[in-house]
Amino acid sequence: DTGVSQNPRHKITKRGQNVTFRCDPISEHNRLYWYRQTLGQGPEFLTYFQNEAQLEKSRLLSDRFSAERPKGSFSTLEIQRTEQGDSAMYLCASSLSTENTEAFFGQGTRLTVV
Amino acid sequence: DAKTTQPNSMESNEEEPVHLPCNHSTISGTDYIHWYRQLPSQGPEYVIHGLTSNVNNRMASLAIAEDRKSSTLILHRATLRDAAVYYCIAQQASNTGKLIFGQGTTLQVKP
Repeated sequence: DTGVSQNPRHKITKRGQNVTFRCDPISEHNRLYWYRQTLGQGPEFLTYFQNEAQLEKSRLLSDRFSAERPKGSFSTLEIQRTEQGDSAMYLCASSLSTENTEAFFGQGTRLTVV
Repeated sequence: DAKTTQPNSMESNEEEPVHLPCNHSTISGTDYIHWYRQLPSQGPEYVIHGLTSNVNNRMASLAIAEDRKSSTLILHRATLRDAAVYYCIAQQASNTGKLIFGQGTTLQVKP
């Protein structure tokens, strides 16, 4: 296992288009997280899955955002009707569900909305 | 999760020790202190974490004040590859594991 994998690494889209990102976590990890990071800021939590169940969503996750983890393995994050303010790095992380375990992050998907 | 305060930036010379401070005066008794770092164009990576006792691993040491209101991440010999943004996070033990990042400390390492 080579770690958390995210695809694509870069995405340029026109305002109003829909985009979908994929995250493949470390195989034995049952927790999966999505974060968003804008330039000069730390990552901001978006949502969290325990296996296939989405257990927490940030208020940052507007109605245009949806995340799924259908079989408790890979996850997708979809943004509908993209806006320029959605331009950011989208990071995925995974971990075991033991207390205070470390999270492993992917390299992220950089989204640019033009 | 408790709020943490870190300096915006620090500089170090290569092969010298670096002490990165973090204040977390509102930390609760069960909050763990985690450190992550983010190299340029990479996702964050775990460095170390602790509760009360000082901790050591192959990457760094974590010194926690007796009152737990502050902590210090120690890199024993900085290398150019240690140039990164370092994040200190106070995480609730019963938390879902989500991390609340601040702005972190940008460490520059000079050759």
